[in-house]
Amino acid sequence: DAKTTQPPSMDCAEGRAANLPCNHSTISGNEYVYWYRQIHSQGPQYIIHGLKNNETNEMASLIITEDRKSSTLILPHATLRDTAVYYCIVSGSSNTGKLIFGQGTTLQVKP
Amino acid sequence: GAVVSQHPSRVICKSGTSVKIECRSLDFQATTMFWYRQFPKQSLMLMATSNEGSKATYEQGVEKDKFLINHASLTLSTLTVTSAHPEDSSFYICSADRVDKNIQYFGAGTRLSVL
Repeated sequence: DAKTTQPPSMDCAEGRAANLPCNHSTISGNEYVYWYRQIHSQGPQYIIHGLKNNETNEMASLIITEDRKSSTLILPHATLRDTAVYYCIVSGSSNTGKLIFGQGTTLQVKP
Repeated sequence: GAVVSQHPSRVICKSGTSVKIECRSLDFQATTMFWYRQFPKQSLMLMATSNEGSKATYEQGVEKDKFLINHASLTLSTLTVTSAHPEDSSFYICSADRVDKNIQYFGAGTRLSVL
């Protein structure tokens, strides 16, 4: 399974954009990049996913580099409720769709 | 709203008893569901893949006779922790694979405390 590398923690000021990086240099051609977040004592929440192109939805934007070896999750206007652990996961049909969670990035949004 | 329902949200039981946790996909059918376990201050660890109509596939080191999985319908998977002991106390989370969207949705989790 392709592995991902994320910084263990980041801070962001409320109202500013939060940019969370992820490295996945061993990603294979049919694997997607998924982002989930987990707020304390809850199940993970799906945020966004992509294969090659940049993606945007109501929660966030996902920027994937052309070589697909890294990506950035962007929360355009972070709020205190965005404080959570953010997981970047690479998954595809080659591993039967399993999501293997790493340690993620703990994002602390500060007033 | 939640697309995957997990029940119960919290359970406290005595050592030696069995506990069943249910995971339901609410507005889609899921031939594949997954069960995870999470210890305090750790990440989620995949325990097993639940396949509708066939046996579950367990990850290495997970005892299949300890953690019984049944996926009898396209919207329901159950995890039974048999003869629970204090070391089984953990946060158990399920997910359901929505194939048409290529997204796994997670339940809210079940906090199991074994006394």
